[in-house]
Amino acid sequence: DTEVTQTPKHLVMGMTNKKSLKCEQHMGHRAMYWYKQKAKKPPELMFVYSYEKLSINESVPSRFSPECPNSSLLNLHLHALQPEDSALYLCASSQEDRANTEAFFGQGTRLTVV
Amino acid sequence: GQSLEQPSEVTAVEGAIVQMNCTYQTSGFYGLSWYQQHDGGAPTFLSYNALDGLEETGRFSSFLSRSDSYGYLLLQELQMKDSASYFCAVPNAGNNRKLIWGLGTSLAVNP
Repeated sequence: DTEVTQTPKHLVMGMTNKKSLKCEQHMGHRAMYWYKQKAKKPPELMFVYSYEKLSINESVPSRFSPECPNSSLLNLHLHALQPEDSALYLCASSQEDRANTEAFFGQGTRLTVV
Repeated sequence: GQSLEQPSEVTAVEGAIVQMNCTYQTSGFYGLSWYQQHDGGAPTFLSYNALDGLEETGRFSSFLSRSDSYGYLLLQELQMKDSASYFCAVPNAGNNRKLIWGLGTSLAVNP
């Protein structure tokens, strides 16, 4: 199994809503990542978890809250988002938390904030 | 700082060969990666070069010259399904846990 599974695929939420994005991998990877991607741009790193501990937070606003319940799962909790937060949110995993190792990406959650 | 430069768009025809270039500026170098992303899809890892030279995987090859801070991705026998964005990326010199991405090259393959 070389898949990273993300749910939901699409999400529309209001600015006062609370929602969560979910990500799962069963490859035994020890690093998991959240990225944000706008159209025609490269992915922007948001958070890195290594061995279930948060190792990088790229100065992401607190309305985005990551959680790693176990080595296979990664969540991104969303609260009080702004329309400019609309984007494709990608989860990825890699064997180790070194950027020169192959990262496996999920298909993403396309988020629209209204 | 670190930066990568890629041409924004490349157009080619089916069956042809295309080369997509990437030049980088970085104070420390840990290798050059390439990712492919179709519209609406997830980035997919293609290759990683840590040493100078050409690495081949089927129709795809990736080249690195560390002395020139330059690499390229070569696609042979182009197919319509190769139409996608191609990103080069290098590990952050100060923190090897994150990738610095180029802006990507959008490849259009025409019949």
